[in-house]
Amino acid sequence: KNEVEQSPQNLTAQEGEFITINCSYSVGISALHWLQQHPGGGIVSLFMLSSGKKKHGRLIATINIQEKHSSLHITASHPRDSAVYICAVSATNKLIFGTGTLLAVQP
Amino acid sequence: DTEVTQTPKHLVMGMTNKKSLKCEQHMGHRAMYWYKQKAKKPPELMFVYSYEKLSINESVPSRFSPECPNSSLLNLHLHALQPEDSALYLCASSQDQVIQPQHFGDGTRLSIL
Repeated sequence: KNEVEQSPQNLTAQEGEFITINCSYSVGISALHWLQQHPGGGIVSLFMLSSGKKKHGRLIATINIQEKHSSLHITASHPRDSAVYICAVSATNKLIFGTGTLLAVQP
Repeated sequence: DTEVTQTPKHLVMGMTNKKSLKCEQHMGHRAMYWYKQKAKKPPELMFVYSYEKLSINESVPSRFSPECPNSSLLNLHLHALQPEDSALYLCASSQDQVIQPQHFGDGTRLSIL
């Protein structure tokens, strides 16, 4: 069992839909990260969370430390949001990555 | 544009060649990382440098040799690679090894013939 699990693995949405990607972890962490990777490209850090909720534009990330669970929400999704979204946790001075969620937003 | 610059963007090399990947950041970060990423998989940590000293080597084969000449530069020297080493190699940096987040470069896509 992976230490960081994401669901769903693949997600197709229509433009404008509200999207949720989930992440569960089983290790002690100092922070949780949501990352975005476009095809063939580098990785962009979207959020770093250790508690509560953060919002940036149409993106919202939440974390529940007691339940070891985090969610990434995208409101009013757009085709340019199509990418792989990766949950990663900071543990033992390095990042442990989830397997990613491939999101395709269709116009 | 990313604040971590990797060169080259693409590299094709034979199994007997020697080449180097380069990574540069000017954010004053003191931790730098090399990752290997295969298609449709998450990045795998290879090496971590903290304050210019190698702090983590994730049992990487010796055909990969990292070097940190100064706090802004990180190199990955390649020699006698195998076809299974073909992958996207990502460099990242962070303020230090404890304080994240990590800033990633766009990667070097490496193909071994």
